[in-house]
Amino acid sequence: GAVVSQHPSWVICKSGTSVKIECRSLDFQATTMFWYRQFPKQSLMLMATSNEGSKATYEQGVEKDKFLINHASLTLSTLTVTSAHPEDSSFYICSAYDRVDYGYTFGSGTRLTVV
Amino acid sequence: QKEVEQNSGPLSVPEGAIASLNCTYSDRVSQSFFWYRQYSGKSPELIMSIYSNGDKEDGRFTAQLNKASQYVSLLIRDSQPSDSATYLCAVNFEGGGADGLTFGKGTHLIIQP
Repeated sequence: GAVVSQHPSWVICKSGTSVKIECRSLDFQATTMFWYRQFPKQSLMLMATSNEGSKATYEQGVEKDKFLINHASLTLSTLTVTSAHPEDSSFYICSAYDRVDYGYTFGSGTRLTVV
Repeated sequence: QKEVEQNSGPLSVPEGAIASLNCTYSDRVSQSFFWYRQYSGKSPELIMSIYSNGDKEDGRFTAQLNKASQYVSLLIRDSQPSDSATYLCAVNFEGGGADGLTFGKGTHLIIQP
């Protein structure tokens, strides 16, 4: 089945620094990837849709200048949290749509802690 | 407004019994529906997807969809302690793969040995 690899699985950073999270589709090409955020005891919230070769589409309330998304190839999307602050601490999860299986596959998630 | 509603629980079910999880959604023309299981601190894993009205069975799991009532459910037969997790209902409101999923808040299921 489709596999999506996400790295790192966890990261601790100082307030004001930037963190990059990678999401790779290992055995299929993903023209579209999605980035979600999950705060404790809450559900997944879609942050943005990442389209290969074009600008990402951000959901309402998500700062595009703070959460930079790059989808330079059919198998790789990156999310960079810029000038991170403690309130950005969350579980970030990427997902890719497999056009063959018509399914959404999720990465293993990245636990970000900003101190 | 795209909304997916679930009872947050916890839902406590004895081992071996049937667990019934329910979900309602806001848009009548929604195309595809998914049930995910999420263990604490982990990423969601797909249990089942359903696209047409009626029942879809896969092992101990049965998904039921009623588009007229905007209702989708998941039945877990012969519940096991390992089924204890949060179950997320997700809807693709637009259809196709160009749009992400809208998730409900999840139902916390506890299977009592």
